[in-house]
Amino acid sequence: EDQVTQSPEALRLQEGESSSLNCSYTVSGLRGLFWYRQDPGKGPEFLFTLYSAGEEKEKERLKATLTKKESFLHITAPKPEDSATYLCAVQAGGAGGTSYGKLTFGQGTILTVHP
Amino acid sequence: EPEVTQTPSHQVTQMGQEVILRCVPISNHLYFYWYRQILGQKVEFLVSFYNNEISEKSEIFDDQFSVERPDGSNFTLKIRSTKLEDSAMYFCASRAYLAGGRNEQFFGPGTRLTVL
Repeated sequence: EDQVTQSPEALRLQEGESSSLNCSYTVSGLRGLFWYRQDPGKGPEFLFTLYSAGEEKEKERLKATLTKKESFLHITAPKPEDSATYLCAVQAGGAGGTSYGKLTFGQGTILTVHP
Repeated sequence: EPEVTQTPSHQVTQMGQEVILRCVPISNHLYFYWYRQILGQKVEFLVSFYNNEISEKSEIFDDQFSVERPDGSNFTLKIRSTKLEDSAMYFCASRAYLAGGRNEQFFGPGTRLTVL
């Protein structure tokens, strides 16, 4: 069974204080690892897809990295508007490599950035 | 920028009643999904739909659930006889064709279902 564990559950930062969020996963053939941002009462907003170990993606203050067992979301000099829940999800390859895209999510990290 | 839309934003129903949640996926996408998120819990996969049929479903997606793409734009989730434990946010998502393309799913804003 595919599993995704995110840590910490909650993270409080001061504006400008850089940090990292962790996503550990076990999956039968990783097809993709996804990071989403979710604001309260809203749907997940796509941030990044990572496909293979060593891959990195960047967007503004966010940088996502991937190893064979985990992914990190690095936040550099965060601002209060970065406050949200950050979700990690994996897509498995499935039997015979068939995948229709089912995502397995972690429980998320609630990030609060204080001014 | 194209986006997934969902209606209604909030649905309140009595236990045992039928509800239909509606979604309009991004227009050139071919894969469609429903997920749900019970308050304070993980986002959970319910079902995937491709080429006018269910391609994968979870254990949650039992006989009381059904999905349909009644026309070229809408994608619906029907819950035949709602239970208290069906109260959750229901998210629709869509994805472009896979081969050589991007795998990311784009989510709608959700429908909050409250079963009384």
